[in-house]
Amino acid sequence: QVQLVQSGAEVKKPGASVKVSCKASGYTFTSYDINWVRQATGQGLEWMGWMNPNSGNTGYAQKFQGRVTMTRNTSISTAYMELSSLRSEDTAVYYCARDRAPTYYYYGMDVWGQGTTVTVSS
Amino acid sequence: EIVLTQSPATLSLSPGERATLSCRASQSVSSYLAWYQQKPGQAPRLLIYDASNRATGIPARFSGSGSGTDFTLTISSLEPEDFAVYYCQQRSNWPPHTFGQGTKLEIK
Repeated sequence: QVQLVQSGAEVKKPGASVKVSCKASGYTFTSYDINWVRQATGQGLEWMGWMNPNSGNTGYAQKFQGRVTMTRNTSISTAYMELSSLRSEDTAVYYCARDRAPTYYYYGMDVWGQGTTVTVSS
Repeated sequence: EIVLTQSPATLSLSPGERATLSCRASQSVSSYLAWYQQKPGQAPRLLIYDASNRATGIPARFSGSGSGTDFTLTISSLEPEDFAVYYCQQRSNWPPHTFGQGTKLEIK
């Protein structure tokens, strides 16, 4: 079945970096974009950025520019999100989700990973 | 950047009642808007795509409408499992692909 499986929980110290993976299966990895969305405890969904796995093109929310890097390895159908200079406010659940750029329709983010908890604490 | 504003922040209703949730965009997003449902401890689930189309497996009591800047998610008759948080999200320009702040639908 179509699924995105993310890497496990991480605990990091302030100032460190974290790299979360998102492995796709059940569909052609390069046919859908991968978005990264995070959610702090009790808060809403926050879109961080987007990557086209076919071209490698990316787009980041201004808030994360300079701190986030999204990459992929097409040979293993896996996308990565690396966030650097971590601070306590980055403690959240991080999700990957697939979608496609609108053509006639926008089909939404129809498949989500299970989420990866990142805790930033000294 | 397009801002999505959802209202109300919290909606208190009883099972069997009709729920109407609103999402307003700061500029036109055409029909490129989706709705998601999220329950505690779970990833969001796609309900509605392209403003008015139900995603696979979504019950007919869920419907979406609107275009441009004003959108509505309607749940015709609330079931106990529908009490959750609902988000709208747009992808009309690039980037960012913003989410609204959410509407919590709670049992009255």
